[in-house]
Amino acid sequence: AQTVTQSQPEMSVQEAETVTLSCTYDTSESDYYLFWYKQPPSRQMILVIRQEAYKQQNATENRFSVNFQKAAKSFSLKISDSQLGDAAMYFCANGQDKIIFGKGTRLHILP
Amino acid sequence: EAQVTQNPRYLITVTGKKLTVTCSQNMNHEYMSWYRQDPGLGLRQIYYSMNVEVTDKGDVPEGYKVSRKEKRNFPLILESPSPNQTSLYFCASSLFRNQPQHFGDGTRLSIL
Repeated sequence: AQTVTQSQPEMSVQEAETVTLSCTYDTSESDYYLFWYKQPPSRQMILVIRQEAYKQQNATENRFSVNFQKAAKSFSLKISDSQLGDAAMYFCANGQDKIIFGKGTRLHILP
Repeated sequence: EAQVTQNPRYLITVTGKKLTVTCSQNMNHEYMSWYRQDPGLGLRQIYYSMNVEVTDKGDVPEGYKVSRKEKRNFPLILESPSPNQTSLYFCASSLFRNQPQHFGDGTRLSIL
């Protein structure tokens, strides 16, 4: 069965510090994609970063990067130089046709 | 402006009264999907559509119907809503199945 697990329901980080959100997944597919989405209080869903499973190189987008460990089925998100605007719910997602989301990690940024 | 538009944004209704939530995208996307979001459960996929006339069940399809007669529209139908379908619903679309999804603003449904 396809699953996505985010083991940290809530996290806090000091502004300008670095934080890592964890995500593990399970899938029987050989070719799949992984995503991190952000949901601020406005409740909009915004793509943060995408990783193709066949690519060994970790994806990066400005202050956001992933640590993709395919054998361990781990896909963590690192946010560097945290900003107040990063406060949000973060969801990890996996899939190709059917998409499975984790339950989310609420990130607080402390000024 | 590229967008996914859902209507209504908010709806309070009663058990058993059929309702439809519309979803339209203007990006010529092939893939469309419906999710429900409940506290502590994240987003769960209800149905998805790879292209016109092709739909398939997600993880929580019971009590819902969809149709994809045109590429741009993907309505969600609740034939006989029940209180356990009270939730926040999102429609999303992407160019193809493995591309990042664009989400609508969400529809808050309350079934009394």
